[in-house]
Amino acid sequence: QVQLQESGPGLVKPSETLSLTCAVSGYSISSGYYWGWIRQPPGKGLEWIGSIYHSGSTYYNPSLKSRVTISVDTSKNQFSLKLSSVTAADTAVYYCARQDIAAAGTPYFDYWGQGTLVTVSS
Amino acid sequence: QSVLTQPPSVSAAPGQKVTISCSGSSSNIGNNYVSWYQQLPGTAPKLLIYDNNKRPSGIPDRFSGSKSGTSATLGITGLQTGDEADYYCGTWDSSLSAGRVVFGGGTKLTVL
Repeated sequence: QVQLQESGPGLVKPSETLSLTCAVSGYSISSGYYWGWIRQPPGKGLEWIGSIYHSGSTYYNPSLKSRVTISVDTSKNQFSLKLSSVTAADTAVYYCARQDIAAAGTPYFDYWGQGTLVTVSS
Repeated sequence: QSVLTQPPSVSAAPGQKVTISCSGSSSNIGNNYVSWYQQLPGTAPKLLIYDNNKRPSGIPDRFSGSKSGTSATLGITGLQTGDEADYYCGTWDSSLSAGRVVFGGGTKLTVL
């Protein structure tokens, strides 16, 4: 069974960089699939942040692209998110997920981590 | 404001059927496949439907999906109190210079 677990600081100061890691078990990242980050502000809907392939190829939400870096460490079977210059608007539950590709190339997320709340506050 | 439009809430009695709509455009639903997610209170989203109408292993056939033109619909029959959750649709959108994954704003299902 594929399992994902997010980890990282729960509190980040404004203007600093948010850093999270997603540890994957039950599946080797090197075997394939894209791996993504999605966030959900308190009481609001889902927002896709970006995704990475095991080779390191990435694609990001254009609205966040200038501040986002996603990387992968296949030796540790994990991938990471960095979001720079954070503000209170970046306060959210951050989820990592495995991304599959449907027919015609439409992505969807079949396994999700439990999520981790990151609060941006001084 | 979400690219995909869902009703904020729907409700129905136990045992009844409910449908949740997801409206988009030719830049997203019209030319891509739709997925649906269930988010029980305080938990992570769970994949219910992918490829418009396919269910992952373990998802009961009470849940169904369909797509027509630029809209998609999630159907739930034989409603149970355990189905009370937020439901989200998702797809790919190519309206910007670079594409992106987009989700609907979510629909809260209440089982009366």
